[in-house]
Amino acid sequence: AQTVTQSQPEMSVQEAETVTLSCTYDTSESDYYLFWYKQPPSRQMILVIRQEAYKQQNATENRFSVNFQKAAKSFSLKISDSQLGDAAMYFCAYRSGGGETSGSRLTFGEGTQLTVNP
Amino acid sequence: KAGVTQTPRYLIKTRGQQVTLSCSPISGHRSVSWYQQTPGQGLQFLFEYFSETQRNKGNFPGRFSGRQFSNSRSEMNVSTLELGDSALYLCASRKTGVGEQYFGPGTRLTVT
Repeated sequence: AQTVTQSQPEMSVQEAETVTLSCTYDTSESDYYLFWYKQPPSRQMILVIRQEAYKQQNATENRFSVNFQKAAKSFSLKISDSQLGDAAMYFCAYRSGGGETSGSRLTFGEGTQLTVNP
Repeated sequence: KAGVTQTPRYLIKTRGQQVTLSCSPISGHRSVSWYQQTPGQGLQFLFEYFSETQRNKGNFPGRFSGRQFSNSRSEMNVSTLELGDSALYLCASRKTGVGEQYFGPGTRLTVT
């Protein structure tokens, strides 16, 4: 079974600064996807960024980027130029690959509560 | 394009009762997954339905069940409610293949 671990229950950052959230995972599969989801106080889960395991290039989405270290099974999220609206719970998640027939099951980490200080 | 909708948004039930939660996926999405979120256990996968068939199931007792209709709408049912069933229940829909999952706003269930 796959496991996802987020070792930082809470993090804080000053507005406009950069912060990195850590995530490690364990799997014996070679085909999989990794995600970072954001859950603000509204509880709406929002996809921030995704990474396909077969891609060596790290994914980026505007101010959000990842550092994907496949051999180390590490998947960290870097938020640049932090904004007050970035304050939320961030979850790292894993999904098996397999294409059309693969399931949608996500395995989540425990979450990291990010506070952005003005 | 409308997002994933869940009804009701809030629900209060008594121990021993049963409850049915509903999820309407994004148009064109055939896969619907359900998750339970609690402070103690975090986010846990309940089950997934694809084309009206349960494709995957998490480690939950048989009191938790679900189904999917031909229009891809899904319902989950919890019978004989226990206090520990109090949680935020999230539904997510996905098109097919490598498509992204999109989450609904959740249903907050309180069992008293």
